[in-house]
Amino acid sequence: EDQVTQSPEALRLQEGESSSLNCSYTVSGLRGLFWYRQDPGKGPEFLFTLYSAGEEKEKERLKATLTKKESFLHITAPKPEDSATYLCALSNDYKLSFGAGTTVTVRA
Amino acid sequence: DVKVTQSSRYLVKRTGEKVFLECVQDMDHENMFWYRQDPGLGLRLIYFSYDVKMKEKGDIPEGYSVSREKKERFSLILESASTNQTSMYLCASSTSGRGGELFFGEGSRLTVL
Repeated sequence: EDQVTQSPEALRLQEGESSSLNCSYTVSGLRGLFWYRQDPGKGPEFLFTLYSAGEEKEKERLKATLTKKESFLHITAPKPEDSATYLCALSNDYKLSFGAGTTVTVRA
Repeated sequence: DVKVTQSSRYLVKRTGEKVFLECVQDMDHENMFWYRQDPGLGLRLIYFSYDVKMKEKGDIPEGYSVSREKKERFSLILESASTNQTSMYLCASSTSGRGGELFFGEGSRLTVL
């Protein structure tokens, strides 16, 4: 059965303090690994899709990477506006299976 | 921009009431989904639909039903609401085929007393 595990559950950072979030997965055949950002009280917002090991994608201070067993979301020099819950998800046929998320708090 | 609109942001219902959550998308997407989100459990799929009048059970369909009479609209129905259905409900849509990104609505927070 496909499985997605995110760590840590919560991450508190000082502004400018770079860090990484982990998404470990097991899947029979990877069709896509997705990253979403979710602000409190709102729906998830799409960030990236990765399809094969070695692939990397960047958007502003965020960079997602993929290996055969895990994906990392690197946050470089974060700002308070990067505070959110970050979700990773596996594509399983039509649907996505989500991890529980990592809540990131960036203090000024 | 894709827009997925959920009819109610906040609802308060009593145990045993019938509850309708409506979702409309404006991008002609074939696939639509209902998830619920609870602290520590993440998003769990309730039902999805890949075509009009088609529906498939997700991981937690018990206590729920759905309706998709038109391509743009996907409704989630709680026949007899219970307190353990208090949750954030998220509707999403995606283009045809498998493996596409989901576009989410703002969510409907349901409280069942």
